[in-house]
Amino acid sequence: GDSVTQMEGPVTLSEEAFLTINCTYTATGYPSLFWYVQYPGEGLQLLLKATKADDKGSNKGFEATYRKETTSFHLEKGSVQVSDSAVYFCALSDMSGYSTLTFGKGTMLLVSP
Amino acid sequence: ETGVTQSPTHLIKTRGQQVTLRCSSQSGHNTVSWYQQALGQGPQFIFQYYREEENGRGNFPPRFSGLQFPNYSSELNVNALELDDSALYLCASSLRVATNEKLFFGSGTQLSVL
Repeated sequence: GDSVTQMEGPVTLSEEAFLTINCTYTATGYPSLFWYVQYPGEGLQLLLKATKADDKGSNKGFEATYRKETTSFHLEKGSVQVSDSAVYFCALSDMSGYSTLTFGKGTMLLVSP
Repeated sequence: ETGVTQSPTHLIKTRGQQVTLRCSSQSGHNTVSWYQQALGQGPQFIFQYYREEENGRGNFPPRFSGLQFPNYSSELNVNALELDDSALYLCASSLRVATNEKLFFGSGTQLSVL
């Protein structure tokens, strides 16, 4: 079945550092790929998505590129802020795209001033 | 603020009991999905309802059941609670008009089974 593997956290960075959170997936066909963010005490929020190979999703300074050849969708940000501290989840949906998501285990990001 | 509200926010039950969790969808949405998020894990898909019919189910036993009402609000029922059912239960609503519709998640119900 489909699966998503993320790097384990926590990832601890100083403000303005460069962020990479690795994500690889296993799926049949051509899934859509997502990054969700979960702030403490809140539900999940869609951060960005990509629906086909070589697409780049971007939002709020975060970027991720759908790499079919390496089955990866790594999240990057050039300069993190304290407010980016949260748990980040990589996810995929099956070919139907109908909102049935398979999530990774999540990566906690802690940014210190 | 997603417009998806879940109740209650926290709940404590004992093993063997039954529980009902509720979700109000964002206005205009016709699809509700439920996810279970165990501590330190990613959310796992339980099932989805589209226009009051179950429309997909994950790897959860039949004691997990649900309903969607004409106003598109939803309930998740769990019978014969087990300790491993302790988790954050997330509801997500969406409007199904095409593939890749966007999910809007509620803040969840934290269920503890003792």
